[in-house]
Amino acid sequence: SQTIHQWPATLVQPVGSPLSLECTVEGTSNPNLYWYRQAAGRGLQLLFYSVGIGQISSEVPQNLSASRPQDRQFILSSKKLLLSDSGFYLCAWKPFNEKLFFGSGTQLSVL
Amino acid sequence: RKEVEQDPGPFNVPEGATVAFNCTYSNSASQSFFWYRQDCRKEPKLLMSVYSSGNEDGRFTAQLNRASQYISLLIRDSKLSDSATYLCVVNTGGFKTIFGAGTRLFVKA
Repeated sequence: SQTIHQWPATLVQPVGSPLSLECTVEGTSNPNLYWYRQAAGRGLQLLFYSVGIGQISSEVPQNLSASRPQDRQFILSSKKLLLSDSGFYLCAWKPFNEKLFFGSGTQLSVL
Repeated sequence: RKEVEQDPGPFNVPEGATVAFNCTYSNSASQSFFWYRQDCRKEPKLLMSVYSSGNEDGRFTAQLNRASQYISLLIRDSKLSDSATYLCVVNTGGFKTIFGAGTRLFVKA
């Protein structure tokens, strides 16, 4: 069966510091991968999605970037965090046009 | 106009009540539809898929009306454990999945 791993669960970072969140999927090949962000009390905002190695689509221009160095690995990065980057970050995967499966999420607090 | 819109909530209901959530979507070419449940500070989890013929899973019934671009979720005999945020989710085609902002439900004893 397919599983998705996301880490860390909680992260506290100072403003201006870099960020790297990693997500890996097991049990499937060539998955569609996604990064979402959820601000406190708000809905899920799609940040990036990827349909293959090195293929990244950005939905919202902002202080973040994504990379897919391997088929089942998806990384969310920032060179310098802003206060507004705080939120709950969720990695997800799905078969084409099917339902999404989420990782357990990373709660990021930028102070 | 948002791509997926839901009742803002919150809904406060007593145990045993029946509660209905509504959702509308703007893209008539949308292809698949789901309801997710999200507990506080947790990842969303699939509650059920939604079909035009309607589908039921225990106390939960979901319905899709493609002509009206409308999705509903009915919860019967509410339990305390049903307290959560319910997210309406639409696949607009292929890769993109759009979430509604969610409707918060509080079930009280």
